[in-house]
Amino acid sequence: SAVISQKPSRDICQRGTSLTIQCQVDSQVTMMFWYRQQPGQSLTLIATANQGSEATYESGFVIDKFPISRPNLTFSTLTVSNMSPEDSSIYLCSVNRGDNYGYTFGSGTRLTVV
Amino acid sequence: AQKITQTQPGMFVQEKEAVTLDCTYDTSDPSYGLFWYKQPSSGEMIFLIYQGSYDQQNATEGRYSLNFQKARKSANLVISASQLGDSAMYFCAMGSHNNNDMRFGAGTRLTVKP
Repeated sequence: SAVISQKPSRDICQRGTSLTIQCQVDSQVTMMFWYRQQPGQSLTLIATANQGSEATYESGFVIDKFPISRPNLTFSTLTVSNMSPEDSSIYLCSVNRGDNYGYTFGSGTRLTVV
Repeated sequence: AQKITQTQPGMFVQEKEAVTLDCTYDTSDPSYGLFWYKQPSSGEMIFLIYQGSYDQQNATEGRYSLNFQKARKSANLVISASQLGDSAMYFCAMGSHNNNDMRFGAGTRLTVKP
């Protein structure tokens, strides 16, 4: 199954700034997924990123706030723009394991906005 | 639409005893997969076990087993011989052929008592 390197692992950011999170996969994958986990909550899908096309965003998430890049089949970035304290969450990327629909996750980025 | 329900916000179990974490689901897709993930305080998502909707037998992975009752649309996780290191959040999730992403339940926080 795929191995994902996600960074940064954590960050503390000032409100109004932006943070870009990177995920590098050790094999080529068609789709990458970005999730948000607010404190004490479950995971919510932000968007699905395909290489060579615009990301598909879930209801409640917009490209201006969470722009995503997918320049090739092994890499993706998620930017959290114009941050507010409400953006404080764990952000996780994931890819399909290639078997049984299962997904491998990056180690997560714990973001705190002050 | 897919829906995953975990009705136990928190569970306690004595070390070395078995515990069952409940999960029910709803989907109109005929082919789907059910997953359990463990999330320790570090925030990473650790895949535990998978059950396919067409699998005849319940899945097992070491101390983890999945009690799959398709007619009841339930996929409960059984952890045998609990260990202190099992204390974590546990998420039930579902993926299907029609939706490439994965949807998560609210999670159950398991605490293993010495």
